[in-house]
Amino acid sequence: GQNIDQPTEMTATEGAIVQINCTYQTSGFNGLFWYQQHAGEAPTFLSYNVLDGLEEKGRFSSFLSRSKGYSYLLLKELQMKDSASYLCAVMDSNYQLIWGAGTKLIIKP
Amino acid sequence: GAVVSQHPSWVICKSGTSVKIECRSLDFQATTMFWYRQFPKQSLMLMATSNEGSKATYEQGVEKDKFLINHASLTLSTLTVTSAHPEDSSFYICSARNRDESSPLHFGNGTRLTVT
Repeated sequence: GQNIDQPTEMTATEGAIVQINCTYQTSGFNGLFWYQQHAGEAPTFLSYNVLDGLEEKGRFSSFLSRSKGYSYLLLKELQMKDSASYLCAVMDSNYQLIWGAGTKLIIKP
Repeated sequence: GAVVSQHPSWVICKSGTSVKIECRSLDFQATTMFWYRQFPKQSLMLMATSNEGSKATYEQGVEKDKFLINHASLTLSTLTVTSAHPEDSSFYICSARNRDESSPLHFGNGTRLTVT
């Protein structure tokens, strides 16, 4: 079967750095996406990785290792507004998105 | 960036009535649109995939006669919840993608449906 694993919940302090991990097992791979979802709102696109390595976009970075079936989302200089759920999604060989259950990130002052 | 507009944002309806939700891509051609539902504190659940001009492909367990999807143009898809019941109360979200299958999905703002 196909599955995406990510921690259910994480807590971090304002101004700090947090890394949210995602491991996956899918039939084929056509890229990995990270989305941010605030409570009661729809997801918004954060990043897309299809090649190994680190993609940096402002305070957010995303890393991918295809051989390990592993990705992480790194958030720096955390702000209270970063409190949200972070969804990892993998596109399989049929270009279908397989979604993780999301990681709820709680930021404390 | 790509914008997807979903309407209405929230709707309350009586049991037995039908509700139509619209999803529009405002600045790109949405070859494929996806409809999701999400229950509180749960992940997105794909309901169906629709390609412009074709019948929607429904996920297992999703009743196609209850959740009618129309994707008549490259910028508009609609989801109609027919004969709604309280258990249909949920957060419904559409997303759209252009012709490039590896491009990211862009989501509408979602519709919170409450059936009384």
